[in-house]
Amino acid sequence: GNSVTQMEGPVTLSEEAFLTINCTYTATGYPSLFWYVQYPGEGLQLLLKATKADDKGSNKGFEATYRKETTSFHLEKGSVQVSDSAVYFCALTQSGGSYIPTFGRGTSLIVHP
Amino acid sequence: DAGITQSPRYKITETGRQVTLMCHQTWSHSYMFWYRQDLGHGLRLIYYSAAADITDKGEVPDGYVVSRSKTENFPLTLESATRSQTSVYFCASSESGGRGPQHFGDGTRLSIL
Repeated sequence: GNSVTQMEGPVTLSEEAFLTINCTYTATGYPSLFWYVQYPGEGLQLLLKATKADDKGSNKGFEATYRKETTSFHLEKGSVQVSDSAVYFCALTQSGGSYIPTFGRGTSLIVHP
Repeated sequence: DAGITQSPRYKITETGRQVTLMCHQTWSHSYMFWYRQDLGHGLRLIYYSAAADITDKGEVPDGYVVSRSKTENFPLTLESATRSQTSVYFCASSESGGRGPQHFGDGTRLSIL
């Protein structure tokens, strides 16, 4: 079956530091890949997505590139802010068949001033 | 406003009681999902629905019942609540016939005493 593996957290950074959260996946075919963000007390929100190999999703300074050869979709941001503190989830939706998404376990990011 | 709304936001009840969590979406998305989120377990799929009158079990369906008589509504019922069902419950819908990203409600925080 499908699976998504994220680095365990929490990831703790100082403001303006560079962020990388690793995500690798196992799936057949060409899944669509997503990053979601969850702020305290809220539901998950779509952060960015990519639907085919070599696509780069980007939003709010975050980027992730769909790497078919390494089955990865790592999340990056050049300069984090305190307001980026949240839990980040990597996810995929299989192409064709049942459209049940597969989520990673989530990575907590804490940014200190 | 378009969106997905869950009610109630908070609920406290006792073991053995029946409780229903409501979910309503305004986009007419065909796919809808119920998840529970617990520390150490991430998001776990309880039930999902591909269309009105079509529902199917997810990873942890025991003790839960769903229905979907209208596209926009997807209520979740705990028939006889147990303490192990204390959790945060999220409803979601997905666009593009299920292939697209998920849109989450803000969750229902359920405590069972």
